Amino acid sequence: EPEVTQTPSHQVTQMGQEVILRCVPISNHLYFYWYRQILGQKVEFLVSFYNNEISEKSEIFDDQFSVERPDGSNFTLKIRSTKLEDSAMYFCASRLAKGGVETQYFGPGTRLLVL
Amino acid sequence: AQSVTQLGSHVSVSEGALVLLRCNYSSSVPPYLFWYVQYPNQGLQLLLKYTSAATLVKGINGFEAEFKKSETSFHLTKPSAHMSDAAEYFCAVTDHFGNEKLTFGTGTRLTIIP
Repeated sequence: EPEVTQTPSHQVTQMGQEVILRCVPISNHLYFYWYRQILGQKVEFLVSFYNNEISEKSEIFDDQFSVERPDGSNFTLKIRSTKLEDSAMYFCASRLAKGGVETQYFGPGTRLLVL
Repeated sequence: AQSVTQLGSHVSVSEGALVLLRCNYSSSVPPYLFWYVQYPNQGLQLLLKYTSAATLVKGINGFEAEFKKSETSFHLTKPSAHMSDAAEYFCAVTDHFGNEKLTFGTGTRLTIIP
């Protein structure tokens, strides 16, 4: 069964460093998402992406964040200068088509720790 | 704005007992509601979803949920708990008009007592 994959599973970085989190969505899906979950808190929406552009972003997704689909398979989240509060589990998700009825399929997550 | 509230961050039930995980939603438009499960070190897996076709929704692994508009609830149930049901469960909402993002509850960790 097709699945969303994410790399790395864990990443430790120093405050101020740039990190890139990678995701490979399900191959025929068209809509892509990033969510994050700070330890002990709820899963929060960061950004959605369709047709090579951001379709919606949350207040969390400030200028330090960017997303890209550099080729036909990868979808990346870049944090330019990490802060301690960026420590969280980051989930990628993909969806075949638009519409609330369509299921978003999630990857296993990348646990980011900023020291 | 839409939101969901999950009552009980931790729920423990005995193996074979009824599982009841509570979720209440707030939405100004007809919602789509979802239950996701997260097993240790894995991603979020869809258990079931409500999309207005039927108020009682059956999902995987014997779980079901009933949409009750009058109570703004979408509680998750399973008649008989199994050890393999131990996981974290998340309720989520999106709206009828295809607003793309999912808004999640805080999650409920289910523990099964042998």
